[in-house]
Amino acid sequence: GEQVEQLPSILRVQEGSSASINCSYEDSASNYFPWYKQEPGENPKLIIDIRSNMERKQIQELIVLLDKKAKRFSLHITDTQPGDSAMYFCAASPSSGSWQLIFGSGTQLTVMP
Amino acid sequence: ETAVFQTPNYHVTQVGNEVSFNCKQTLGHDTMYWYKQDSKKLLKIMFSYNNKQLIVNETVPRRFSPQSSDKAHLNLRIKSVEPEDSAVYLCASSKWAGGPNTEVFFGKGTRLTVV
Repeated sequence: GEQVEQLPSILRVQEGSSASINCSYEDSASNYFPWYKQEPGENPKLIIDIRSNMERKQIQELIVLLDKKAKRFSLHITDTQPGDSAMYFCAASPSSGSWQLIFGSGTQLTVMP
Repeated sequence: ETAVFQTPNYHVTQVGNEVSFNCKQTLGHDTMYWYKQDSKKLLKIMFSYNNKQLIVNETVPRRFSPQSSDKAHLNLRIKSVEPEDSAVYLCASSKWAGGPNTEVFFGKGTRLTVV
């Protein structure tokens, strides 16, 4: 079945700098790639997603890139703020007929003031 | 704003007991899920339920079973809990009946501790 690898597991950056998280997947037919942010004690919340018909999407300071040939996608947070500190998960939705969102193992991001 | 409601928030129980967790979504979604989040924060799908069709992750032990009365509710029962069942159980829902290719909304989870 689909597997999603996520790196790094821990990321510390200075406030105002950029943070990048990378994910790779195995199923070339996967067509939906969401990113979730989970703060301590809270539920994971969708922050941005990208579908297989796109290569790049930006919402404010969040940029996602998708390279279908390499089966890789990434999240870039520009101008990080302390409020960006959280656990981030990438996920991939395998080809139709499967109901599962397969999550990466998570990245603990800390933005240092 | 939470639209997937789970109860209880926490539950402590002894090995061998039966537990049941409740989940309700008020989004009018067609599909509901249960995920397990372990101590390392790994998120694993356990069940998907849509239009009375249940899809089970084959790695889930048989002592786990989902129970649904209607499309807004999906409860989770664990018969005879074991120590490795200690985790946060997250209920979720999504709109599309064809699969999770739309936003999945999570509840705040039920933290289970098995002593």
